[in-house]
Amino acid sequence: DAKTTQPNSMESNEEEPVHLPCNHSTISGTDYIHWYRQLPSQGPEYVIHGLTSNVNNRMASLAIAEDRKSSTLILHRATLRDAAVYYCILRDRLYSGGGADGLTFGKGTHLIIQP
Amino acid sequence: DTEVTQTPKHLVMGMTNKKSLKCEQHMGHRAMYWYKQKAKKPPELMFVYSYEKLSINESVPSRFSPECPNSSLLNLHLHALQPEDSALYLCASSQDQGRTNTEAFFGQGTRLTVV
Repeated sequence: DAKTTQPNSMESNEEEPVHLPCNHSTISGTDYIHWYRQLPSQGPEYVIHGLTSNVNNRMASLAIAEDRKSSTLILHRATLRDAAVYYCILRDRLYSGGGADGLTFGKGTHLIIQP
Repeated sequence: DTEVTQTPKHLVMGMTNKKSLKCEQHMGHRAMYWYKQKAKKPPELMFVYSYEKLSINESVPSRFSPECPNSSLLNLHLHALQPEDSALYLCASSQDQGRTNTEAFFGQGTRLTVV
């Protein structure tokens, strides 16, 4: 799977939008972009994923650049509960290993929310 | 029920002890995973079970022995661990449908301390 680059940390204020960037310049045409987050003292949780088009769900939006070399996770109105480490992960849907394989986590972005 | 339940939440064991970590899910997922997470590091994949068979072992030392007694349960048997094995051990599950739309669900982890 291609690698991703994320800032080590970002800070935002409560009730403001947050834009978390992810660079993936070597992304292939069959790589899905997944986002997970890990709140303090908890296991990671799925946030959102997409391939080419922008995606929205109840937790966040995912904006994917036209050339797919970067993407942005958007939290529309951050709360203190959104303070977590956010991981951007690429997964090639043409993985040839067969069956399930695990996630490869990078270092992620530590999001700090100020009240 | 979208929960992955891990027990115990905390475990302290001596280097000569034998202990087991347990993981349970009732989502009908056929893929289950063990991850290890050291402090301030991302999770690292240890094992993958697909349809109750071990499909991936990421070169984990034999003092860690996984077991999948049935499709809902995953155990990790521990024996003769070292202090450097102290970490958060995370269990996860997903539908075994390749990588296209597979969301992984994580438990809250077992915090293991080896003394």
